[in-house]
Amino acid sequence: SQQGEEDPQALSIQEGENATMNCSYKTSINNLQWYRQNSGRGLVHLILIRSNEREKHSGRLRVTLDTSKKSSSLLITASRAADTASYFCATVPYSYDEKLTFGTGTRLTIIP
Amino acid sequence: GAGVSQSPSNKVTEKGKDVELRCDPISGHTALYWYRQRLGQGLEFLIYFQGNSAPDKSGLPSDRFSAERTGESVSTLTIQRTQQEDSAVYLCASSLEGRRANIQYFGAGTRLSVL
Repeated sequence: SQQGEEDPQALSIQEGENATMNCSYKTSINNLQWYRQNSGRGLVHLILIRSNEREKHSGRLRVTLDTSKKSSSLLITASRAADTASYFCATVPYSYDEKLTFGTGTRLTIIP
Repeated sequence: GAGVSQSPSNKVTEKGKDVELRCDPISGHTALYWYRQRLGQGLEFLIYFQGNSAPDKSGLPSDRFSAERTGESVSTLTIQRTQQEDSAVYLCASSLEGRRANIQYFGAGTRLSVL
């Protein structure tokens, strides 16, 4: 099964509103990353948060990490139509295995 | 510099034919990854190359799938005797090293359709 599970699977909001997506994972991690995928394109890295960090900001993005609950959230403030995309969390395990493991994604639609 | 380049961008083939997909990673990136993404699904890890180390092939779904990498440059993913279930987008990514904290840079993918 996937290490990361995003919630919700799909989200539609009005432009200007905030969008929150959640990611849960199962094993201890070294870091967690969020990626965006526009339709028909490759993934683009958004932000990385390390296991010893609790919150990180990048522009309109805010990521939190709760290692005790094995969960992370991605908040996009003041959403824009261009934010319409799928968002994936990806975890890097604390073990020697260095591969990222991607979740199933949240499909975000911003309604103009 | 240029990003990760994949070719072809689209490939339509008949069931039973072999296909070869190509990935040119970012220059200087020693780690290279292949993923498969079925329609509306997440990413499924296929194979990972790191420098001169033996590749991690643990994600390859069957022996019809194989991949090679020439040094720290081009990689090809080969699917033999394609089946309709192989239809998907195949994504390649590279990173500076295969270290845990490193970010992956993705190509636009090859959309494979098996008729």
